[in-house]
Amino acid sequence: DTGVSQDPRHKITKRGQNVTFRCDPISEHNRLYWYRQTLGQGPEFLTYFQNEAQLEKSRLLSDRFSAERPKGSFSTLEIQRTEQGDSAMYLCASSTRLAGEEYEQFFGPGTRLTVL
Amino acid sequence: AQSVAQPEDQVNVAEGNPLTVKCTYSVSGNPYLFWYVQYPNRGLQFLLKYITGDNLVKGSYGFEAEFNKSQTSFHLKKPSALVSDSALYFCAVRDGTSNTGKLIFGQGTTLQVKP
Repeated sequence: DTGVSQDPRHKITKRGQNVTFRCDPISEHNRLYWYRQTLGQGPEFLTYFQNEAQLEKSRLLSDRFSAERPKGSFSTLEIQRTEQGDSAMYLCASSTRLAGEEYEQFFGPGTRLTVL
Repeated sequence: AQSVAQPEDQVNVAEGNPLTVKCTYSVSGNPYLFWYVQYPNRGLQFLLKYITGDNLVKGSYGFEAEFNKSQTSFHLKKPSALVSDSALYFCAVRDGTSNTGKLIFGQGTTLQVKP
């Protein structure tokens, strides 16, 4: 399977604990995005990487959130001191852009986080 | 402000009938528009996109969408619905204020196709 993969698929944690999610994009894609989706809503942008550089962060991304993409390959999203409001589906997507053409984003299956 | 609106929370249609899922948008610059479908406990699956060119865009699984600049709409259509089309559909637009390609999504429309 050459699609976007995410791990874990589900995570249940207690309030105050730290969690880390991983995303493996399609190998030739240099653009990587994290989105958050809550029940009944569309995905909302969290952060963007071009290769290894984190070029944009949403105001939704509080100081408790951090994301990395070392060497421009996989990416991790860490949430420190989780709160119940962090419960959501965290989606990763990747894409590429060549010669000015806009390519669609391919999404992973998501990580569903439940904070008790 | 840039935004996407999907005015219907749910669309019900009988199998074999045509379906339309509505989407309107507000964006600065030329709109880059997308439709995605989401099945339960799954990620989003790309259906089609409009970047430029013909206003009628054809996509996966027999879906098509019509771009209407004057009405700022990008409705999703299919001539004959299948029960298996039942899912959650999202319209999205590329954020025109950013070079990142990030998407702004609508709230989604649940499509229910009944046999």
